[in-house]
Amino acid sequence: EAGVAQSPRYKIIEKRQSVAFWCNPISGHATLYWYQQILGQGPKLLIQFQNNGVVDDSQLPKDRFSAERLKGVDSTLKIQPAKLEDSAVYLCASSIPGLAGFRQETQYFGPGTRLLVL
Amino acid sequence: TQLLEQSPQFLSIQEGENLTVYCNSSSVFSSLQWYRQEPGEGPVLLVTVVTGGEVKKLKRLTFQFGDARKDSSLHITAAQPGDTGLYLCAGELIFGTGTRLQVFP
Repeated sequence: EAGVAQSPRYKIIEKRQSVAFWCNPISGHATLYWYQQILGQGPKLLIQFQNNGVVDDSQLPKDRFSAERLKGVDSTLKIQPAKLEDSAVYLCASSIPGLAGFRQETQYFGPGTRLLVL
Repeated sequence: TQLLEQSPQFLSIQEGENLTVYCNSSSVFSSLQWYRQEPGEGPVLLVTVVTGGEVKKLKRLTFQFGDARKDSSLHITAAQPGDTGLYLCAGELIFGTGTRLQVFP
């Protein structure tokens, strides 16, 4: 079974530029998550999708970050304009909704996109 | 705001030693998960604990969920170099601060 795919793996941009990340979840996984992991910290949830609807985007900086999941499969996360503090690894994860609720589901993570903003 | 604090932040030990990593919160969680993350990769789920006082074993790893469901611990017996990585606890999509473990041969 193919895992969660993310691209690009690395990206270097200058501040105020725009950048987009792509995620292809495991086939059949209805729930998709985007996390931001700053060096030395644990991942922080940015947004959670259930199919193509947003479940939680309370920690997404909406003035500069946007995400979409058209057709309930692939997802893109965009930053416009980027700031120095956006330098981090952006992780995508997917899971299958379970009876116990999404907070106990097994999340499968992709390898992440490492972003450096200069 | 729910927070998960892990200790120690860093741990460097020799192969064969035992170690314990702690995950603490002032909030009650319905469940806690433990992940291991290796450089350049995403976290991989090790275990989910659901019931207060629950103990789960995964080979040399023993996970415990506190009776009050506010804390958890991970104990590794006879650590091996392959155990090296970042250990993360998580509850309700909130991740802890992480414990970076280095096991030397």
